Amino acid sequence: QVQLQESGPGLVKPSETLSLTCAVSGYSISSGYYWGWIRQPPGKGLEWIGSIYHSGSTYYNPSLKSRVTISVDTSKNQFSLKLSSVTAADTAVYYCARLVRASGTYYFDYWGQGTLVTVSS
Amino acid sequence: QSVLTQPPSASGTPGQRVTISCSGSSSNIGSNTVNWYQQLPGTAPKLLIYSNNQRPSGVPDRFSGSKSGTSASLAISGLQSEDEADYYCAAWDDSLNGLYVFGTGTKVTVL
Repeated sequence: QVQLQESGPGLVKPSETLSLTCAVSGYSISSGYYWGWIRQPPGKGLEWIGSIYHSGSTYYNPSLKSRVTISVDTSKNQFSLKLSSVTAADTAVYYCARLVRASGTYYFDYWGQGTLVTVSS
Repeated sequence: QSVLTQPPSASGTPGQRVTISCSGSSSNIGSNTVNWYQQLPGTAPKLLIYSNNQRPSGVPDRFSGSKSGTSASLAISGLQSEDEADYYCAAWDDSLNGLYVFGTGTKVTVL
C-alpha cells in the first residue's frame, strides 16, 4: 500500500521560505509516476501547487511559479516543496500526493494526511 | 483561482439521488478527463471517480460520473449519511504550460 507523509515546520514567518518534505513508502519514486503538492487554505478549496517526475521534470502552477521549487530525492524516496516569500495568504493545509498521468488523464490517487502551515510573526 | 465551477451546496434525504455539476472550458474538461474527489470533514481528499466515470477499488457503485463537452457531473444514488462531505471535480488544463485545476467544491448535506 502506497503511503505518503508530509513533514516540516508548522509555523513560518512572513517573507521567509516554507519547506516541506513528503516521505513515500510502499512504492519506489524511481519506478515512475509524477508526485505533487496541493494546498487548502482554512475553509477554502483545493489548489494545485506543482508536480515532479522522478527524473526531476516539473510542472508548476503559473500563479505560484515564481516562488515554488519542487525537488525529488530518490535515494531517500521523498520529494520536497519550497515556497519563498510567504505571506498570510500561504497559510493552508499542504498535501502531497501521487499523480497518475497518461494521455489526457491526470488524477491524484494516493494522498498524505496533510500538514497545516501557518504564516505568522 | 478555480476555473471549474460547481454549485456551493447540494442536499438530499437518505436514499435520494443527488447530482453535482462541474462546468469548465475547452482547455480543461473539453480536452482531458474529469476526476472527482471526496473530502470528509477534517480529512484528506480521496479519489472517488477518475477518467470521467471510473471508480477506484473500494468506491461504492452508487457513485457515478459522466462528462459531456465542457461539463461533467457526479451522481450519488441511494444517498447515505456517510456521504456528507465536500466534493471537488478536477482536470488537467492545457492552457499556458499546463496545470491541474480543481473545482470550487460542493458541500453535500444529508438531511
